[in-house]
Amino acid sequence: EIVMTQSPATLSVSPGERATLSCRASQSVSSHLAWYQQKPGQAPRLLIYGASTRATGIAARFSGSGSGTEFTLTISSLQSEDFAVYYCQQYTDWPLTFGQGTRLEI
Amino acid sequence: EMQLMESGGDLVQPGRSLRLSCTASGFNFGDYAMSWVRQAPGKGLEWVSFVRSKASGGTAEYAASVKDRFTISRDDSKSIAYLQMNSLKTEDTAVYYCTRVSLAVALFEYWGQGTLVTVSS
Repeated sequence: EIVMTQSPATLSVSPGERATLSCRASQSVSSHLAWYQQKPGQAPRLLIYGASTRATGIAARFSGSGSGTEFTLTISSLQSEDFAVYYCQQYTDWPLTFGQGTRLEI
Repeated sequence: EMQLMESGGDLVQPGRSLRLSCTASGFNFGDYAMSWVRQAPGKGLEWVSFVRSKASGGTAEYAASVKDRFTISRDDSKSIAYLQMNSLKTEDTAVYYCTRVSLAVALFEYWGQGTLVTVSS
């Protein structure tokens, strides 16, 4: 099983600042990496796939990078609606696995 | 508009069974793989099960934690995906999300709002 590890567990930032979230895979997943956003009481939403491609309707302030085992989600200028939990997920091998999440808070 | 609507969540005793349904609309259901992802209270996301489209063989994949207890299936004529859960354990307590899987790779494009399964005596 590929273990996905996210850091930090919690990131405290202010609106307008830049946020950088990390995700590490226990073995290479190539670019088969997705990011999801989950707000309280809501279902997750796909943000990024293929490590760096924004999903439909996702704002340009969200960007993803990386390949192999190291990945980054960057939010360039935080808006109030961006405070949520973010998960990475690998889809290169079974079982599909998620990271434990990074909570982005003010 | 694309929609996924889960139903069937309930409070059930350990060892009992439950069947979840996911009713889809707004897209050609038969073209897509479908999957279930769960989230225990206050915890992260855990993939549970996956069923391929009929064109891709209609076969299923399972997480080790549910293999041999859960069965995923689909009825393309009704645009419904099912998750039959047997021998339920307290650790199966979670919100269960139905997801539509990307056509090309196993990522979760769209999510339903979830249905709560509580396993407790």
